[in-house]
Amino acid sequence: DGGITQSPKYLFRKEGQNVTLSCEQNLNHDAMYWYRQDPGQGLRLIYYSQIVNDFQKGDIAEGYSVSREKKESFPLTVTSAQKNPTAFYLCASSPTSGAADTQYFGPGTRLTVL
Amino acid sequence: GQNIDQPTEMTATEGAIVQINCTYQTSGFNGLFWYQQHAGEAPTFLSYNVLDGLEEKGRFSSFLSRSKGYSYLLLKELQMKDSASYLCAAATGAAGNKLTFGGGTRVLVKP
Repeated sequence: DGGITQSPKYLFRKEGQNVTLSCEQNLNHDAMYWYRQDPGQGLRLIYYSQIVNDFQKGDIAEGYSVSREKKESFPLTVTSAQKNPTAFYLCASSPTSGAADTQYFGPGTRLTVL
Repeated sequence: GQNIDQPTEMTATEGAIVQINCTYQTSGFNGLFWYQQHAGEAPTFLSYNVLDGLEEKGRFSSFLSRSKGYSYLLLKELQMKDSASYLCAAATGAAGNKLTFGGGTRVLVKP
């Protein structure tokens, strides 16, 4: 079964703690993305990676970090520096990084910081 | 800067037609995507327009005018399951794979 998996679906953390959200894909896609969605709003790009061992900041990268050590994995760390981390986090991937390819989304992780 | 505008909410009756408009102002433009998102779920791909004109896919059609910075998504023969948010996203960036999303239009289909 090919697809994008994110775990867990719901995550609760105390304020001041770092937390890492996982994203795995077995679609053999080159590019991967992290978005944040707040209630009633569209998606905002946090980080993206066009190829292994390379990534770029999106529009709202402050307080977040990523790594891309393997093609299939793109974990996102929400650090204590992120002022308002409670949100719905979506990971996506696309076949290539060289064109406007369709991005396919994982099921998302809803993070609540108490 | 990048700016994508679409209406916040629309209501329509089952069996009717609804048109969701999207206007965009972006630095660099490589195409326009439409996604559907049911509450609490991930967005799913509906359509992609790179050239001017209408693309039809069953009950859903999407139109693009690059000169006007304008797109619309047309939903025909509305069904209750079409109640969802519809996200307009412009592809920008040198590689064309960076998406800037609008705020989404929530469509409520009534019986």
